[in-house]
Amino acid sequence: NAGVTQTPKFQVLKTGQSMTLQCAQDMNHEYMSWYRQDPGMGLRLIHYSVGAGITDQGEVPNGYNVSRSTTEDFPLRLLSAAPSQTSVYFCASSYALAVQETQYFGPGTRLLVL
Amino acid sequence: AQSVTQLGSHVSVSEGALVLLRCNYSSSVPPYLFWYVQYPNQGLQLLLKYTSAATLVKGINGFEAEFKKSETSFHLTKPSAHMSDAAEYFCAVKDPGRRALTFGSGTRLQVQP
Repeated sequence: NAGVTQTPKFQVLKTGQSMTLQCAQDMNHEYMSWYRQDPGMGLRLIHYSVGAGITDQGEVPNGYNVSRSTTEDFPLRLLSAAPSQTSVYFCASSYALAVQETQYFGPGTRLLVL
Repeated sequence: AQSVTQLGSHVSVSEGALVLLRCNYSSSVPPYLFWYVQYPNQGLQLLLKYTSAATLVKGINGFEAEFKKSETSFHLTKPSAHMSDAAEYFCAVKDPGRRALTFGSGTRLQVQP
């Protein structure tokens, strides 16, 4: 199993550009989520999905879109990048939404918006 | 709303010394508690989790944590630090009914030779 994979590993954008961060998992997990990590703030939830075709907002959803057309993939779209979106983005998945389920994290995408 | 406090953004210990990383949560209902470790340029990896089965939880790499309801704490310990333990450690909680983890701000552990 590859686990949770993310591409690209690093990206530089100009303000106003759009891009898609890719996330895939091969563990047949129903629950997937996106977090952003900023210094001194831990990880904050952006969007999540409890299954194909079902998504919902997390704590900091503004400026981001998601879709879940398959169980395996959960891309995160930045519609018009802003410097405030400079961060490290992590995708995570778990078998179920049950509270005790372990979430598995990808290696992250480091994004710099100029 | 649930919150997680990790005391000390940076902790430095000598190799072989005790590691103690502190985590306190705010909740009237005992949540599920997790410790994750992040090595440089990598994603988060689960160290251990508390799911109400036992108050002392053993994890990977010799780490353990004790849930103390009276103190609303879930501190992470390791008897003897190793150089390979240098990383950032995150405490996280999840309340029943919530859909995501709430993370603390992280503690960076340095291990001095």
